[in-house]
Amino acid sequence: GDSVTQMEGPVTLSEEAFLTINCTYTATGYPSLFWYVQYPGEGLQLLLKATKADDKGSNKGFEATYRKETTSFHLEKGSVQVSDSAVYFCASAGGTSYGKLTFGQGTILTVHP
Amino acid sequence: NAGVTQTPKFQVLKTGQSMTLQCAQDMNHNSMYWYRQDPGMGLRLIYYSASEGTTDKGEVPNGYNVSRLNKREFSLRLESAAPSQTSVYFCASMPSRETQYFGPGTRLLVL
Repeated sequence: GDSVTQMEGPVTLSEEAFLTINCTYTATGYPSLFWYVQYPGEGLQLLLKATKADDKGSNKGFEATYRKETTSFHLEKGSVQVSDSAVYFCASAGGTSYGKLTFGQGTILTVHP
Repeated sequence: NAGVTQTPKFQVLKTGQSMTLQCAQDMNHNSMYWYRQDPGMGLRLIYYSASEGTTDKGEVPNGYNVSRLNKREFSLRLESAAPSQTSVYFCASMPSRETQYFGPGTRLLVL
């Protein structure tokens, strides 16, 4: 079945540092890929997505590129802020599991002033 | 437009008790989903409903039942709660291919 693997956390950074959270996937077919963010005490919010190879999703300074050759969708941000502290989930959908999201285990990000 | 709403926000149960978690969406979405979130395991799909009148098992359906009451509402029932069902439960809905909208979650503690 489909699966998503994220780098283990937690990740702790100073404000304005560069962020990378790795994500790789396995799927039959060509899934769409997502990053969701969960702020403390809240539900998940879609951060960005990409639906085909070489697409780049971007939002709020975050970016991720769909790399079919490496089956990856790494999340990056050039300069993090304290307000970016949250849990980040990589997810896939489609392929053989139309409409159903498969999530990675989540990465806790803490940004210090 | 409230989006996806869930009740209750927090619940404590004793082992063997039953309860129903409620979920409603006002966005006219066809598909609805129930997930559980456990530390280090991401979100796992319990049940989903691709359209009104249909429900299907997800990855971890044991110990749960669901009802798609109408297009707006999708409830999750625990008939006999167990400590292993202590978790945070999220409901989600989807209007079209692949972009799901999540509710705020229900935190459940089973003693």
